[in-house]
Amino acid sequence: SQQGEEDPQALSIQEGENATMNCSYKTSINNLQWYRQNSGRGLVHLILIRSNEREKHSGRLRVTLDTSKKSSSLLITASRAADTASYFCATDRTGANSKLTFGKGITLSVRP
Amino acid sequence: GAVVSQHPSRVICKSGTSVKIECRSLDFQATTMFWYRQFPKQSLMLMATSNEGSKATYEQGVEKDKFLINHASLTLSTLTVTSAHPEDSSFYICSARAVGGYATNEKLFFGSGTQLSVL
Repeated sequence: SQQGEEDPQALSIQEGENATMNCSYKTSINNLQWYRQNSGRGLVHLILIRSNEREKHSGRLRVTLDTSKKSSSLLITASRAADTASYFCATDRTGANSKLTFGKGITLSVRP
Repeated sequence: GAVVSQHPSRVICKSGTSVKIECRSLDFQATTMFWYRQFPKQSLMLMATSNEGSKATYEQGVEKDKFLINHASLTLSTLTVTSAHPEDSSFYICSARAVGGYATNEKLFFGSGTQLSVL
């Protein structure tokens, strides 16, 4: 079964607004990561949060992790048209050298 | 940051031919590379894990004789789609984990993907 499930599946917002994307997973994890994919391109790593962390920031990104609920959220503040992309959460069950399991992704559209 | 180069970016071939896709880590060594397949508006499906100097580990349901993987050096892994058919048309992406020189080798660095179209 899919380890990471994001919601919503699609999100459309106005430039300047905040975008919140959620991810739920089923098994215990070592860390959870968020990636971004522009159409027809590879993925770019955005941020990693470990199982013993609850919140992390990187620029306009804020990610939270609730291991009791097996869920994570990615917040993009002050969105820009250039943030338009698909966003994936990925779970790492055991740490370095283990494979990541990706969710189905969220398509974010930021209207200028 | 680390760069993974994937070539070609797009290939169109006739049914029955074989296609080779290369994945190179340009400024770091990668003992482990991963190959994914992605359908339009879908998630990444892990096909196999490629380990330098040893046989690749394939995910359940992936034919190893159909998708040949070679990881002959610490900077190069190749995926060959043998006797390609229209149902093999898809977007193929590789990724690599860095070894040494980076604070963490937990995150993946991705190639830009290869769009394969089999006529």
